[in-house]
Amino acid sequence: GDSVTQMEGPVTLSEEAFLTINCTYTATGYPSLFWYVQYPGEGLQLLLKATKADDKGSNKGFEATYRKETTSFHLEKGSVQVSDSAVYFCALSDRGLNSGGYQKVTFGIGTKLQVIP
Amino acid sequence: GAVVSQHPSWVICKSGTSVKIECRSLDFQATTMFWYRQFPKQSLMLMATSNEGSKATYEQGVEKDKFLINHASLTLSTLTVTSAHPEDSSFYICSANPGHRGFVLYGYTFGSGTRLTVV
Repeated sequence: GDSVTQMEGPVTLSEEAFLTINCTYTATGYPSLFWYVQYPGEGLQLLLKATKADDKGSNKGFEATYRKETTSFHLEKGSVQVSDSAVYFCALSDRGLNSGGYQKVTFGIGTKLQVIP
Repeated sequence: GAVVSQHPSWVICKSGTSVKIECRSLDFQATTMFWYRQFPKQSLMLMATSNEGSKATYEQGVEKDKFLINHASLTLSTLTVTSAHPEDSSFYICSANPGHRGFVLYGYTFGSGTRLTVV
């Protein structure tokens, strides 16, 4: 079945440091890939996505490129801020459906990012 | 934008008691909501799909009699953990699908989650 592997946290960085959170996946089909972010006390929010190979998703200074050859979708940001402190979830959606008949979504375990001033 | 409110944020209960978690869509009608749970160091796993006015559909391995889901209105779905035990301690999070939109294009809207600890 589908799976998503991402690094365990917490990841602690100083402000303005470069961020990489690794994400690799296995899927039976040709999935779409996502990064979700959960700020403290809030729900998961879609950060960025990519639906085909070599696509680059970007938002709020974050980027991730869909690499089919390495089955990866690593999240990067050139200069993190304290406000980026959150939990980041990598996810994929394949053609499979869940028991309710909706698109099945597979999440990683989430990586907690702590940015210190 | 679409907002989902989930309560409580955290709850501690005694073993054998029941706990109810609420998930409300604040500014849209959600005909479908999803319930997930996450055990420590594991992924978010879908438990069930909740449809307004009908029975929930549970994923394989999830006990429907233990995790009661009620979706009686277009803005409220509840998850009741019945006769809770320490192994039910987990992070539970709901999400809603505003207006039957496709996940790939729009993603779903998530609540902030509930940390349940059973002692």
